[in-house]
Amino acid sequence: DGGITQSPKYLFRKEGQNVTLSCEQNLNHDAMYWYRQDPGQGLRLIYYSQIVNDFQKGDIAEGYSVSREKKESFPLTVTSAQKNPTAFYLCASSQRDTYEQYFGPGTRLTVT
Amino acid sequence: EDQVTQSPEALRLQEGESSSLNCSYTVSGLRGLFWYRQDPGKGPEFLFTLYSAGEEKEKERLKATLTKKESFLHITAPKPEDSATYLCAVHGGSGSRLTFGEGTQLTVNP
Repeated sequence: DGGITQSPKYLFRKEGQNVTLSCEQNLNHDAMYWYRQDPGQGLRLIYYSQIVNDFQKGDIAEGYSVSREKKESFPLTVTSAQKNPTAFYLCASSQRDTYEQYFGPGTRLTVT
Repeated sequence: EDQVTQSPEALRLQEGESSSLNCSYTVSGLRGLFWYRQDPGKGPEFLFTLYSAGEEKEKERLKATLTKKESFLHITAPKPEDSATYLCAVHGGSGSRLTFGEGTQLTVNP
């Protein structure tokens, strides 16, 4: 089955620690995205990548970093510089010509 | 800058009571309007893409329509399992990124 996987589903960290969220897709999509969703709010774009070894900042990139070394993978690191990291993180992918984004199941990160 | 506004923020219906959700958008050149369904604690599920004014798409009890300024998601004779948050997004030509609205939370009571 083709799809997007995110792991883990729930993640707990102490303040001051960096944490990396995994996102893998087997849809052969060129573009991948990371969003953050806070309770009662819409999706806010953190980073996106349209091709391997290239990525662009979204609207709220501060305190986050990404890499795109393989077409299938787009990991997100939440650094200690992110002031309010507790949130629901969603990864998505799309073909470059249709722009329909397909989402993974999400990772809920709690930092205390 | 692309903008998307969804209304109402929340909608409560009785089972079988048809209604519509609204998505108003401002975009320099629309390349696509997308509807998603999101259940609590899950990732959004893709429903429809609309590309030009006058276009309509249907899936079970849902029908999406598009004008030059807004899109409607019509829900006919809804069932409790249609309860979810419905998200609208537009692609206006800024690379491959989409702009999302904040969603309409739909509750259908039995």
